[in-house]
Amino acid sequence: EPEVTQTPSHQVTQMGQEVILRCVPISNHLYFYWYRQILGQKVEFLVSFYNNEISEKSEIFDDQFSVERPDGSNFTLKIRSTKLEDSAMYFCASSGGQYQETQYFGPGTRLLVL
Amino acid sequence: ILNVEQSPQSLHVQEGDSTNFTCSFPSSNFYALHWYRWETAKSPEALFVMTLNGDEKKKGRISATLNTKEGYSYLYIKGSQPEDSATYLCSYGNKLVFGAGTILRVKS
Repeated sequence: EPEVTQTPSHQVTQMGQEVILRCVPISNHLYFYWYRQILGQKVEFLVSFYNNEISEKSEIFDDQFSVERPDGSNFTLKIRSTKLEDSAMYFCASSGGQYQETQYFGPGTRLLVL
Repeated sequence: ILNVEQSPQSLHVQEGDSTNFTCSFPSSNFYALHWYRWETAKSPEALFVMTLNGDEKKKGRISATLNTKEGYSYLYIKGSQPEDSATYLCSYGNKLVFGAGTILRVKS
């Protein structure tokens, strides 16, 4: 069964460093999403992406964040200058359609900013 | 700011019990309501996407209903099994606001 994959599974970085989290969505999906969950808090929506552009983003998704689909398969989340509060589990998801379609989640990347 | 509430926060039941939990959301400008099952150390698994008022969906022993006019959805599990133990999440809207989840523990 097709699945969403994410790399790395864990990443430790120093505050101020740039990180790139990678996701390979399900191949025929058109909508891509990033979420995060800070330990002990709710899952939070960051951004949705369709047709090579951002379709929705949350207040969390400020200028420090960017997303890209650099080739036909990868979908990346870049954090330009990490802060301690960026430490979280980051999930990628993809779906065949927009809000009314099932979203399939990847296993997540645990990011720790020191 | 959209707020999605889930209740109860946690639930402990015996194997064989039936149970239900609630997801409450704003009743205006409805998009869709998603239910997920999330086991520890795994990724959230989609259960249902609810789109129409009065929707009722079923997958095995799990079913869900939707009332968009009053802003709630119920998730039911019939005859709970230990493998149903997980966190059940709902998310709502175009910016996919998540509730805090209901933690279900089923004792054998």
